[in-house]
Amino acid sequence: SQTIHQWPATLVQPVGSPLSLECTVEGTSNPNLYWYRQAAGRGLQLLFYSVGIGQISSEVPQNLSASRPQDRQFILSSKKLLLSDSGFYLCAWSLAGGGTEAFFGQGTRLTVV
Amino acid sequence: AQTVTQSQPEMSVQEAETVTLSCTYDTSENNYYLFWYKQPPSRQMILVIRQEAYKQQNATENRFSVNFQKAAKSFSLKISDSQLGDTAMYFCAFLTLNRDDKIIFGKGTRLHILP
Repeated sequence: SQTIHQWPATLVQPVGSPLSLECTVEGTSNPNLYWYRQAAGRGLQLLFYSVGIGQISSEVPQNLSASRPQDRQFILSSKKLLLSDSGFYLCAWSLAGGGTEAFFGQGTRLTVV
Repeated sequence: AQTVTQSQPEMSVQEAETVTLSCTYDTSENNYYLFWYKQPPSRQMILVIRQEAYKQQNATENRFSVNFQKAAKSFSLKISDSQLGDTAMYFCAFLTLNRDDKIIFGKGTRLHILP
């Protein structure tokens, strides 16, 4: 069966520090991968999505970047965090070719202080 | 660009009552999927129900059912015999069946089931 791992679960980082959130999927090949942000308990904003290795689409211009160094690995990064980067970050995957729902990781609560 | 709109930020109903959550979407695509997700206080995203746009029959899943109106681009969720465990944030989501496979979410409706 497929599983998705996202870590860390909680992170407190000072302003100006770098960020690296990692997400890996097991049990499937060539998944579509997504990073979402949920601010203040509200809607899910799509940040990045990827349909293959090295293929990253950015939805919102921001202080963040994403990379997909391996088929089932998706990384969210920042060189210098801003206070506004605080939020709940969710990684998700879906089957290539679409037609299925997204399966979510447990999420990372990021607080920038 | 596709958009998903949930016009009810927050709702409260008594236990055992029926509640309907609204969702509208905008797209020029003809083939797509729609979903309702539940996010309880644990913040884990749980799929409640899915609907394929090419199917005219409304999807049902136990106490959860949808009213899918393709022409009106409306996709509402009905929860029957509501239970305390239904208290959660509910998100409507849209997926186009094209090369991008983007899944777009609405802003959510916070549902409180009152004892």
